[in-house]
Amino acid sequence: DQQVKQNSPSLSVQEGRISILNCDYTNSMFDYFLWYKKYPAEGPTFLISISSIKDKNEDGRFTVFLNKSAKHLSLHIVPSQPGDSAVYFCAAINNYQLIWGAGTKLIIKP
Amino acid sequence: EADIYQTPRYLVIGTGKKITLECSQTMGHDKMYWYQQDPGMELHLIHYSYGVNSTEKGDLSSESTVSRIRTEHFPLTLESARPSHTSQYLCASSEGARETQYFGPGTRLLVL
Repeated sequence: DQQVKQNSPSLSVQEGRISILNCDYTNSMFDYFLWYKKYPAEGPTFLISISSIKDKNEDGRFTVFLNKSAKHLSLHIVPSQPGDSAVYFCAAINNYQLIWGAGTKLIIKP
Repeated sequence: EADIYQTPRYLVIGTGKKITLECSQTMGHDKMYWYQQDPGMELHLIHYSYGVNSTEKGDLSSESTVSRIRTEHFPLTLESARPSHTSQYLCASSEGARETQYFGPGTRLLVL
């Protein structure tokens, strides 16, 4: 049973617009979440994280929102740029291990 | 900037061969990890280590083995490669158990 779910396999967004990537989790004990970005044939690159004591964390164009009651988090990218085209993974820390979602492929259209 | 390296980046090999995938990090991190990822799928943890002489199996069963003789080095070995081992193998390290994991570039393995 997947504990971290990214229900959209892909997302297409116009350059300059906002990209919103969603992630749901099932275990209310998860208390730390991370977003990674991955290009083909490369390892994931850490983007941004959020602790469950917060509901928002911002770093430049990237903002992560956490809704604990809904067990939902989202990554906002504003404005979207062509270099943002990649697969984005949501992950949660549980028992000192990362539990990964299946990823969402983001395509930024010129 | 994370300094974690994997070699080879790509490997095509025949069934039955023994292979070792190398992973090294220069950050002095205690924790290291090996993940396996198939296209369009989530990353699955196959091995991890808390430090020198410590190795544990992850949540995905794997026929591979690992060793941790030095802090900076965490090689993964397949004694007899099979086509079912074809996948991407990703190595990562972190300073502590709950710290951000930094990844190497990965090794794409194709077993014919």
